[in-house]
Amino acid sequence: RKEVEQDPGPFNVPEGATVAFNCTYSNSASQSFFWYRQDCRKEPKLLMSVYSSGNEDGRFTAQLNRASQYISLLIRDSKLSDSATYLCAVKGDSNYQLIWGAGTKLIIKP
Amino acid sequence: DVKVTQSSRYLVKRTGEKVFLECVQDMDHENMFWYRQDPGLGLRLIYFSYDVKMKEKGDIPEGYSVSREKKERFSLILESASTNQTSMYLCASSFRGAAANEKLFFGSGTQLSVL
Repeated sequence: RKEVEQDPGPFNVPEGATVAFNCTYSNSASQSFFWYRQDCRKEPKLLMSVYSSGNEDGRFTAQLNRASQYISLLIRDSKLSDSATYLCAVKGDSNYQLIWGAGTKLIIKP
Repeated sequence: DVKVTQSSRYLVKRTGEKVFLECVQDMDHENMFWYRQDPGLGLRLIYFSYDVKMKEKGDIPEGYSVSREKKERFSLILESASTNQTSMYLCASSFRGAAANEKLFFGSGTQLSVL
């Protein structure tokens, strides 16, 4: 089993819809979790950090489910510009090292 | 605006060549990282450095070495390039500190093809 797993997609979603996807992790001792966004042929950029209480930033909500060991990302009122690959990253045992999922591809259609 | 600059966007090399990938950051970050990204595998850490002249192996260091002679510059070296090192290489940097170092700033990547 991979340490961090994501559904690769693609998720094809109409503009204006709500979409959610998950990221599961295997290390129950993990403390910090992140969502990065990567546009086609571009570098990843931090979208949100996810802590115990979860967090919300505009149309984006990230939550942590420790019991089932996954984090989720919810996008409301999706825009064409939300089309991207969403990578989750989990802080491993090392204070420096993040463990990455392979990403979920999201395509928003007009 | 913060910046991590990688020297080449695309690079084509031959098997057996020695390859240098350069990365420079202008944010005075202590930590620097080299990842490779392959389809379906996500980002895999090759090496990282948390200070000048310091380096630590990541998950896949075999066939690579690094150099950090100055704080702003972190170089990745492929001693003898092989076809299985064809990949997208991403450099990243971050501040030191339990919370602050979690935000990584990435360069735009170098797509390396080894023929």
